[in-house]
Amino acid sequence: QQQVKQSPQSLIVQKGGISIINCAYENTAFDYFPWYQQFPGKGPALLIAIRPDVSEKKEGRFTISFNKSAKQFSLHIMDSQPGDSATYFCAAVNTGGFKTIFGAGTRLFVKA
Amino acid sequence: GAVVSQHPSRVICKSGTSVKIECRSLDFQATTMFWYRQFPKKSLMLMATSNEGSKATYEQGVEKDKFLINHASLTLSTLTVTSAHPEDSSFYICSAWAGGLSNQPQHFGDGTRLSIL
Repeated sequence: QQQVKQSPQSLIVQKGGISIINCAYENTAFDYFPWYQQFPGKGPALLIAIRPDVSEKKEGRFTISFNKSAKQFSLHIMDSQPGDSATYFCAAVNTGGFKTIFGAGTRLFVKA
Repeated sequence: GAVVSQHPSRVICKSGTSVKIECRSLDFQATTMFWYRQFPKKSLMLMATSNEGSKATYEQGVEKDKFLINHASLTLSTLTVTSAHPEDSSFYICSAWAGGLSNQPQHFGDGTRLSIL
């Protein structure tokens, strides 16, 4: 019940293309869903986040789509750039219980 | 800029040495700090959760006598790896959180690469 399933494990996209990463959760106690971007040798950095009362959130080239009934959410990176090449983690947070569960991560490579 | 500072960024030391890693929240008070361990090409594995002024809560399988955590103030937590051995070599990452009512996410430090020879 505590798992967050993330797919795909790795992704190769052409420059200018759309990168899509999907996550699914089970526990309805989660009430906050952030996405983190991690470069090699660095800690994860918050990219964008959403709460379950919103179905979509857009910040620049990054969009989260959230489907509460299906318990799924996804990250879309529009106009993908080589600099976006990194590992992306979704997470589900139970803010009341101080618990954050991370997905397994997606390694994105954007070809120039 | 960085809101969580983690130091040192890299440590190389001999087996049997104890190593202390510091994690500081720079511009907010962190009621809760988390310590993670990350293996190559893997996700973050939560080791322990610490609340200021309280004993840390360790995840199952994490030796509390091996990984000592102190959260002495609202801006500082430390992780001490005691009598480190090669199998303790890993990437350790802290994060700081202002709490559920703050409406803020966890902020991560840049990690510490620990190599035990």
